[in-house]
Amino acid sequence: NAGVMQNPRHLVRRRGQEARLRCSPMKGHSHVYWYRQLPEEGLKFMVYLQKENIIDESGMPKERFSAEFPKEGPSILRIQQVVRGDSAAYFCASSPWRQNTEAFFGQGTRLTVV
Amino acid sequence: AQKITQTQPGMFVQEKEAVTLDCTYDTSDQSYGLFWYKQPSSGEMIFLIYQGSYDEQNATEGRYSLNFQKARKSANLVISASQLGDSAMYFCAMREGSGGYQKVTFGTGTKLQVIP
Repeated sequence: NAGVMQNPRHLVRRRGQEARLRCSPMKGHSHVYWYRQLPEEGLKFMVYLQKENIIDESGMPKERFSAEFPKEGPSILRIQQVVRGDSAAYFCASSPWRQNTEAFFGQGTRLTVV
Repeated sequence: AQKITQTQPGMFVQEKEAVTLDCTYDTSDQSYGLFWYKQPSSGEMIFLIYQGSYDEQNATEGRYSLNFQKARKSANLVISASQLGDSAMYFCAMREGSGGYQKVTFGTGTKLQVIP
């Protein structure tokens, strides 16, 4: 039973390029959460999605960031026109239902903007 | 106001000794959950232990126990018999809200270093 899979593990982008981060939840999980961890900080909630629906995007920056979780395929966090301040670790977590004792985290994608 | 406060940026502990990592939280919800995660230098987030707000007993998982003091709003992690592999960042986190989904707020973390 594979855990939450994120790819790529490391991503380098030049300023102005687009970054696409993928998250495949655990089998049977239909709820996905994205978090961002800036250097030397804790994780900050970005967005919560169910299949084909964005439930809460209160932590998402208003511009350049978007997320989706299509009926088929992984969840995608997309960052357009990346800037140096977007450099961070992005974690995805999944759970099988709305209230669960723990969310299972992926290993994260480390985005570096040069 | 900070929802999760971890006041110890760094801690040292001698191998085989016990260590307590502090965590206080702030919520007006009656139903909430408290978590501890470990983040080693490799970067992944490893779930350690969970305490529900209605759980009367303190949670324990092997060498980890959560000292839950509801009135004081604290949820300290106790690691017994520290091992070198326990050296890592430790994050306290809280799930709250009646909206029914697991939006979790994390503290800023405590860096634990185990000394041989």
